[in-house]
Amino acid sequence: SYVLTQPPSVSVAPGQTARIICGGNNIGSKSVHWYQQKPGQAPVLVVYDDSDRPSGIPERFSGSNSGNTATLTISRVEAGDEADYYCQVWDSSSDHYVFGTGTKVTVL
Amino acid sequence: QVQLVESGGGVVQPGRSLRLSCAASGFTFSSYAMHWVRQAPGKGLEWVALISYDGVNKFYADSVKGRFTISRDNSKNTLYLQMNGPRAEDTAVYYCATDSSRHFDQWGQGTLVTVSS
Repeated sequence: SYVLTQPPSVSVAPGQTARIICGGNNIGSKSVHWYQQKPGQAPVLVVYDDSDRPSGIPERFSGSNSGNTATLTISRVEAGDEADYYCQVWDSSSDHYVFGTGTKVTVL
Repeated sequence: QVQLVESGGGVVQPGRSLRLSCAASGFTFSSYAMHWVRQAPGKGLEWVALISYDGVNKFYADSVKGRFTISRDNSKNTLYLQMNGPRAEDTAVYYCATDSSRHFDQWGQGTLVTVSS
């Protein structure tokens, strides 16, 4: 089955840039989606189809995808961005939906 | 606005049965495929099942295939998950979510299922 790997944690100072990577075999050939989950809340879609943002999501959130790595970038990080972030793809070979292992973003 | 409200969670004994519901409003429910996604305590997200907009096509994670059944009643704007023979490892918060081009667009707040004797 397809596996997506994320670093367990990323720490960033306010105002700086956080980059969260999602590794998978030839992930560049798939569409990658990203979710933000704050404690005790349901996940929220922040980026879809590699780099598109749903309405209401700040431009500070952006995404890219190439080769074996997809990246979610959060610019000008704010305290409110502290959350867990998950990448996700659809694996056509199994018709299954796959989530990454998740990354906890801590704002210092 | 889109609203998804899960219900039916609680404590269930291993091997018994439980049915979760997800009441949808604020959108044309019968036009959307729907998912169940779960999250064990302190763990990551895990996709559970998908049902097509008309209920014809259903897909399951290997971990629940043959034990769980996803269904829907478009006349009632409601999604279901029948959990038969639950195991301790099925303990999780269960979320329903709308499908949009192979990703999860809108999510409910979740319902907690605890499998314990």
